[in-house]
Amino acid sequence: DVKVTQSSRYLVKRTGEKVFLECVQDMDHENMFWYRQDPGLGLRLIYFSYDVKMKEKGDIPEGYSVSREKKERFSLILESASTNQTSMYLCASSVFGQGAKDTQYFGPGTRLTVL
Amino acid sequence: AQTVTQSQPEMSVQEAETVTLSCTYDTSESDYYLFWYKQPPSRQMILVIRQEAYKQQNATENRFSVNFQKAAKSFSLKISDSQLGDAAMYFCAYRRIFQGAQKLVFGQGTRLTINP
Repeated sequence: DVKVTQSSRYLVKRTGEKVFLECVQDMDHENMFWYRQDPGLGLRLIYFSYDVKMKEKGDIPEGYSVSREKKERFSLILESASTNQTSMYLCASSVFGQGAKDTQYFGPGTRLTVL
Repeated sequence: AQTVTQSQPEMSVQEAETVTLSCTYDTSESDYYLFWYKQPPSRQMILVIRQEAYKQQNATENRFSVNFQKAAKSFSLKISDSQLGDAAMYFCAYRRIFQGAQKLVFGQGTRLTINP
């Protein structure tokens, strides 16, 4: 089974802190994604990566950056956390390809609270 | 840009009965993929069912089936013989077919409650 893990289930940070959210997958997937989940808004894509050191902005990249130094690890960075970044953050991975069978596999999520 | 709309924030159903969750989407493309994902409370999101737009036949996975109406841009999920384990947030999602990195566009979600 594909396993996607995230470094923390719950995280509390203060405004202005630099925050790192880590995601690791064990299935040698090329693609990795960071989403933000908010009630009534569903999941919104922050950034994604289709290869090591490659990244592309999603729909809401402002205030975030990412790093992918190794294929299995994709990090989301909040340079200076703000209260409006309080949310559930979901990581996902998938095989690179065009087939519908190339499902995205999700991690358990990190619930981040910024005070 | 593609958009996905789930107009039912919450739904409830009696155990063993059938429930239908609605999803509409907007796209100018003719070929694409549609998905339903399930997110149980405090558990990871998993794929429930997927549909290729070029296939006329509606997808089915055990008790889960879809009603795909391409012209109406509608993609509803039917859950038959509802079980307590079906209680979850359900998300409808869209993906362009010619896109290697598989960017998904999600709807707002529907919270499904199963009444025993």
